Amino acid sequence: NAGVMQNPRHLVRRRGQEARLRCSPMKGHSHVYWYRQLPEEGLKFMVYLQKENIIDESGMPKERFSAEFPKEGPSILRIQQVVRGDSAAYFCASSPRGQGLSYEQYFGPGTRLTVT
Amino acid sequence: SQQGEEDPQALSIQEGENATMNCSYKTSINNLQWYRQNSGRGLVHLILIRSNEREKHSGRLRVTLDTSKKSSSLLITASRAADTASYFCATDATGGAQKLVFGQGTRLTINP
Repeated sequence: NAGVMQNPRHLVRRRGQEARLRCSPMKGHSHVYWYRQLPEEGLKFMVYLQKENIIDESGMPKERFSAEFPKEGPSILRIQQVVRGDSAAYFCASSPRGQGLSYEQYFGPGTRLTVT
Repeated sequence: SQQGEEDPQALSIQEGENATMNCSYKTSINNLQWYRQNSGRGLVHLILIRSNEREKHSGRLRVTLDTSKKSSSLLITASRAADTASYFCATDATGGAQKLVFGQGTRLTINP
């Protein structure tokens, strides 16, 4: 059973460009979470999605950031018009269940975004 | 308010010794999870302890949870050089949508 897959592993973008980060959850998992980690810090929650639904986006910046988890295909975290402050590691996690229950979240290897 | 404050921020011990890391949090939780992160890598899930549990073991790991003090500890026994990593606790608040709130982590160094 493959783990959570993320690609690309490393992404370099110039200021003003768009960044697209992809996450494929573990087989059988229908709940996806995105987190951001700045250097020397812990992870910060961004958004929680189920297939075709955004459940909680309380950690998403109000502008330039969006996320989706379509019926088919991976979850996408999209950052428009990137700025240097967006440079960070972005981690995706998946779990077999979500709201109201307690299940482990399994993390992908992360995408390290560098904005030049 | 921030959950999951780890203590100490950094810990350096000799191989073979035991390492203890602590985590405090502020609100009621469903569960608390511990993760390991090697430098520049993803997170590895170590153990989940539910709010109605007090202690849990997994190999050389022992986790305790004291909900009255809103704290947890992770004990690694007979440490090895390969245990060198950052360790994070993450809490899942009751009534929430299972989003995890992480602390800043403890950087553990095992000296051979």
